[in-house]
Amino acid sequence: GAGVSQSPSNKVTEKGKDVELRCDPISGHTALYWYRQSLGQGLEFLIYFQGNSAPDKSGLPSDRFSAERTGGSVSTLTIQRTQQEDSAVYLCASNHLQGYEQYFGPGTRLTVT
Amino acid sequence: RKEVEQDPGPFNVPEGATVAFNCTYSNSASQSFFWYRQDCRKEPKLLMSVYSSGNEDGRFTAQLNRASQYISLLIRDSKLSDSATYLCVVNIGNQGGKLIFGQGTELSVKP
Repeated sequence: GAGVSQSPSNKVTEKGKDVELRCDPISGHTALYWYRQSLGQGLEFLIYFQGNSAPDKSGLPSDRFSAERTGGSVSTLTIQRTQQEDSAVYLCASNHLQGYEQYFGPGTRLTVT
Repeated sequence: RKEVEQDPGPFNVPEGATVAFNCTYSNSASQSFFWYRQDCRKEPKLLMSVYSSGNEDGRFTAQLNRASQYISLLIRDSKLSDSATYLCVVNIGNQGGKLIFGQGTELSVKP
């Protein structure tokens, strides 16, 4: 079956522009996660959606970052007024309500120039 | 202090060697523990979960010591294809919750 998909795979944007990153989780997975990985850094949790519950936004680094999940499926991560330090690979993952393993998408490589 | 800390790498070993990775976590409420593998410029993938009693999957053995808040991964008879970054991962909270990743330890297996 299809895994987690993300788009675009690469995005180059100018400092100050807004960007939207998309994640399509595995069908039927109720939990969806966003992480980012900066060059040479570990994965950093950003936000977590679980069913109809309020999302856990505790990892968002600033109010320029927001995410939504429509219809319990597709999610969009939006970064407003991008800064160079936002350059990273943004990874999306999903899993079952009762599952532990998180399945990751291939990521979106964001470069802010 | 980072929530999950791993041995700094990289580890460079010959084929057939046994290599051990160590990891410590700081939050005693941690409930689930994993080792993920990440190949260069790829997404992380689950290698194995880590259970309190220790568990083995072929050449891979994982151990957990809750009292010491310590996790380990042992790879026996290492193969060239084992070359990757190994991530120690902890879940704090309820099932399906966010994962906390260590920085990763890079392994390079040479012929």
